Amino acid sequence: TQLLEQSPQFLSIQEGENLTVYCNSSSVFSSLQWYRQEPGEGPVLLVTVVTGGEVKKLKRLTFQFGDARKDSSLHITAAQPGDTGLYLCAGHGGSNYKLTFGKGTLLTVNP
Amino acid sequence: NAGVMQNPRHLVRRRGQEARLRCSPMKGHSHVYWYRQLPEEGLKFMVYLQKENIIDESGMPKERFSAEFPKEGPSILRIQQVVRGDSAAYFCASSPRGLSSNSGANVLTFGAGSRLTVL
Repeated sequence: TQLLEQSPQFLSIQEGENLTVYCNSSSVFSSLQWYRQEPGEGPVLLVTVVTGGEVKKLKRLTFQFGDARKDSSLHITAAQPGDTGLYLCAGHGGSNYKLTFGKGTLLTVNP
Repeated sequence: NAGVMQNPRHLVRRRGQEARLRCSPMKGHSHVYWYRQLPEEGLKFMVYLQKENIIDESGMPKERFSAEFPKEGPSILRIQQVVRGDSAAYFCASSPRGLSSNSGANVLTFGAGSRLTVL
């Protein structure tokens, strides 16, 4: 069974601070996706990383896929209250149809 | 271009009743996935369907749960004789192609979810 561990589980910071959240596994994934979910809504895809060592930037968000394709990180620069939400990572093993989700990091950015 | 539509958004049932959750995929998407999210838990895969076919139901409880995706109409997740432990948010997602080793090119689009409360 493939498992994804996300840390920290909860994170509360002030506007303008930087933060990094992590997604780790002992399994290799062919790709990994990051989603953001707001209360009462479904997850919305932020990025997909496919290649080991890959770095993708989305405005103030930087996503990295580990060289061994077992882990990933999301770094947010100068966080804003609008960044508040549940950040989920999800891995795809490549040989089946399922995405394996982590439990998420609940981020709160205080004004 | 409407996204994935789920209804009802909220459903309250008493123990022993039936719950039916509906999902209309994005236009042009023929692959549907159902996930369940419990409080402080990640999304758990339940079932993957294509039109008129169940491809993978390995995440579905063996009893009381069923899913279908008919040739016409939405996909339906049906829970019979609901129990309190069935209370959760149920999310449907769709994709134009099934996830494969080229999953970097295949994207799941999620609906807003149906929140089931069993009294």
